[in-house]
Amino acid sequence: GAVVSQHPSWVICKSGTSVKIECRSLDFQATTMFWYRQFPKQSLMLMATSNEGSKATYEQGVEKDKFLINHASLTLSTLTVTSAHPEDSSFYICSARPTDRGIFSTQHFGDGTRLSIL
Amino acid sequence: RKEVEQDPGPFNVPEGATVAFNCTYSNSASQSFFWYRQDCRKEPKLLMSVYSSGNEDGRFTAQLNRASQYISLLIRDSKLSDSATYLCVVIVYGGSQGNLIFGKGTKLSVKP
Repeated sequence: GAVVSQHPSWVICKSGTSVKIECRSLDFQATTMFWYRQFPKQSLMLMATSNEGSKATYEQGVEKDKFLINHASLTLSTLTVTSAHPEDSSFYICSARPTDRGIFSTQHFGDGTRLSIL
Repeated sequence: RKEVEQDPGPFNVPEGATVAFNCTYSNSASQSFFWYRQDCRKEPKLLMSVYSSGNEDGRFTAQLNRASQYISLLIRDSKLSDSATYLCVVIVYGGSQGNLIFGKGTKLSVKP
């Protein structure tokens, strides 16, 4: 149980392309989903918190116009990296917290998306 | 000071060894604590939650010392498959969304 599907797992594209990453909770509802980014040999850093039916909350230093987040249903959140550049190349991971659990419960992670911008 | 600090390692140990990882957190409002493991180029996977009373899951034992703001993970009888990066994770009370805050991880390499 508690499976989170993230797609695609690997993307290679040219600079200037926009890339959309999907995060789905397969067997539970998630009012809140989280988007993280991890550069090589670094810790996971929270980029934004995605809330179903409302605007995402972005962490300091994360450009909301560049990283568009949509959480249209209780099982799906999407992250779109607009006009991606080589410095956006990273490992992007989503996580979802079951709606029926408290905010101090753990989260379930997707498999991650490795984004490489040429 | 980083919110969650870990010794990055790497810890290179032989099979069967006992190895301990430490982690300190700076925010006294930290509420929940976890150890995750992350294999290379993979997503983090929950290993175990950490409680003040200490908890054990097979070969893994986790301890929390709130007074010292210190968390530990002990792995006994190391297996080759234990090779991974171990992430110390906390959730801070007061964050409206209960955000996970990750340490940079401690790399473990178990050799035959």
